[in-house]
Amino acid sequence: DAGVIQSPRHEVTEMGQEVTLRCKPISGHNSLFWYRQTMMRGLELLIYFNNNVPIDDSGMPEDRFSAKMPNASFSTLKIQPSEPRDSAVYFCASSFLIAHLSPNEQFFGPGTRLTVL
Amino acid sequence: GQNIDQPTEMTATEGAIVQINCTYQTSGFNGLFWYQQHAGEAPTFLSYNVLDGLEEKGRFSSFLSRSKGYSYLLLKELQMKDSASYLCAYTNAGKSTFGDGTTLTVKP
Repeated sequence: DAGVIQSPRHEVTEMGQEVTLRCKPISGHNSLFWYRQTMMRGLELLIYFNNNVPIDDSGMPEDRFSAKMPNASFSTLKIQPSEPRDSAVYFCASSFLIAHLSPNEQFFGPGTRLTVL
Repeated sequence: GQNIDQPTEMTATEGAIVQINCTYQTSGFNGLFWYQQHAGEAPTFLSYNVLDGLEEKGRFSSFLSRSKGYSYLLLKELQMKDSASYLCAYTNAGKSTFGDGTTLTVKP
């Protein structure tokens, strides 16, 4: 398996522009997670999906952020409009959750390094 | 991370043993995970504990005490390549909350 795939790997954009990050989870996994990592705030969960349904989006910073998972093999995280404080590494991770309360090892993608000027 | 604490930095010598501690507070708990993250790379899974006690996995072991909200990661026979950040995370209802990570530097 190729693992979790993210694109682009690097993105540099100007403030106010729309940014779309993409993720393909590991085939057969039923849970997908979007994280943001910065030096100041560490690794933060933004949103997670189970069976393509958003379960917890309490970590989404504000309305400028939105995430979708139209099918089991694809998810997007969109920022519109982007701001300099959104600069971070955004990781997508997937796992196979057997039951809602079971522990789940997560497999991380390589991340997208976003710079907003 | 929120309600989960670990030391910011540690230094150890090649060939030695190092213990990285993690404490957490949460009302719901399904497991405690340890991940390794090298600079510029993604976190990778190392070990997890669901029940109290020690889980051994080669040079790495992890311990959990649920009553104390405490875990540690033990790294034996340290190698230079073990220099990395080590993240602990607790899971609750499918969601993981990560600590800020402990940056371990292994010196010759």
